[in-house]
Amino acid sequence: KNQVEQSPQSLIILEGKNCTLQCNYTVSPFSNLRWYKQDTGRGPVSLTIMTFSENTKSNGRYTATLDADTKQSSLHITASQLSDSASYICVVSVGNTDKLIFGTGTRLQVFP
Amino acid sequence: KAGVTQTPRYLIKTRGQQVTLSCSPISGHRSVSWYQQTPGQGLQFLFEYFSETQRNKGNFPGRFSGRQFSNSRSEMNVSTLELGDSALYLCASSYSRPAGGETQYFGPGTRLLVL
Repeated sequence: KNQVEQSPQSLIILEGKNCTLQCNYTVSPFSNLRWYKQDTGRGPVSLTIMTFSENTKSNGRYTATLDADTKQSSLHITASQLSDSASYICVVSVGNTDKLIFGTGTRLQVFP
Repeated sequence: KAGVTQTPRYLIKTRGQQVTLSCSPISGHRSVSWYQQTPGQGLQFLFEYFSETQRNKGNFPGRFSGRQFSNSRSEMNVSTLELGDSALYLCASSYSRPAGGETQYFGPGTRLLVL
């Protein structure tokens, strides 16, 4: 069964600290993996999209990594800011189909 | 470039009623997808339209339907509303195939409350 699991479900960190969010998937065949940031009450915004051949991709203070062998991805946030408080959603695309499998997200709260 | 717009932003209905939500994609985008988001379930895929044709459909009952017009604007309709239909309904647009690596741009959503 194609599934995407994210951990932790929620996370609280202090401003300025780094954190790493995890995404494990059992999607096959794999096409691409993307990370979204969703602020409360708003639609998700794309952070990164990675294909099978990409190991890492950065977008400012956000760095996503992908290990296609172990079917794991992580999103690392450097020097967190209050504006990073949001839900982060991992989405995996099933190859040769038009299907996207969504994780349930990690809720990140950054405190001053 | 204007983003994805959704109307209305908030809606309150009672059980048994029907509702129509509207989505205007980014200019030039031909693919429009609809999602339901609830706190416990996360984002659930409803359907995707491309050039006025439904290209993909999620596992929702037939009470949920949609359509896309020639200008790529899309509507979704929910008939015979149930309490469990209370959710944030998100629309996302992309130029072609969202699953193929195209970036999807999401609208702000319509928050539906069914009483």
